[in-house]
Amino acid sequence: LAKTTQPISMDSYEGQEVNITCSHNNIATNDYITWYQQFPSQGPRFIIQGYKTKVTNEVASLFIPADRKSSTLSLPRVSLSDTAVYYCLVGGKNAGNMLTFGGGTRLMVKP
Amino acid sequence: EAGVAQSPRYKIIEKRQSVAFWCNPISGHATLYWYQQILGQGPKLLIQFQNNGVVDDSQLPKDRFSAERLKGVDSTLKIQPAKLEDSAVYLCASSLETGGGYTFGSGTRLTVV
Repeated sequence: LAKTTQPISMDSYEGQEVNITCSHNNIATNDYITWYQQFPSQGPRFIIQGYKTKVTNEVASLFIPADRKSSTLSLPRVSLSDTAVYYCLVGGKNAGNMLTFGGGTRLMVKP
Repeated sequence: EAGVAQSPRYKIIEKRQSVAFWCNPISGHATLYWYQQILGQGPKLLIQFQNNGVVDDSQLPKDRFSAERLKGVDSTLKIQPAKLEDSAVYLCASSLETGGGYTFGSGTRLTVV
């Protein structure tokens, strides 16, 4: 399984755009990139998944360069409620292939 | 759609006691996972089921941990006997076979004293 590297923590202010980058130099051809969000006392929540270029949903955008060795989760206009830990996972799209969570990025949004 | 149900929400036991956690996945999700999350760390996979069969239990401490999913629906994770280092949140997740991400339950917070 491809190992991922993320910043341990980030600070931002309400209304700003936040970009969290994940490095995955050993990503395999069939691997997808998935991001999860976790609030205290809750299980992780699926945010977005992508394979290449750009994916956007109602919550976030995911940018993946051509070499796919990194990806960037973009959160537009964050609010205090976006304070959470964000995890990047890399693996096959089918169930059972995205099993390893790293330490995640702790995002703190300040007023 | 109902989410992944877990119980109990909290549990405090003494070391060397036994404890069991229960998980009911989303209806139709064939794949079920148990994760252990120690405070300040990311979730660590303990065991993965596909229907009622074990797919991966390589990180399950089998001398004290056991899990079953007899009818391919709900699952039970047991610890016997518990150690202080087992204090963690135990998360259950489920997914479709075709992927699309996991859905996690809220977890069971275990404190071993």
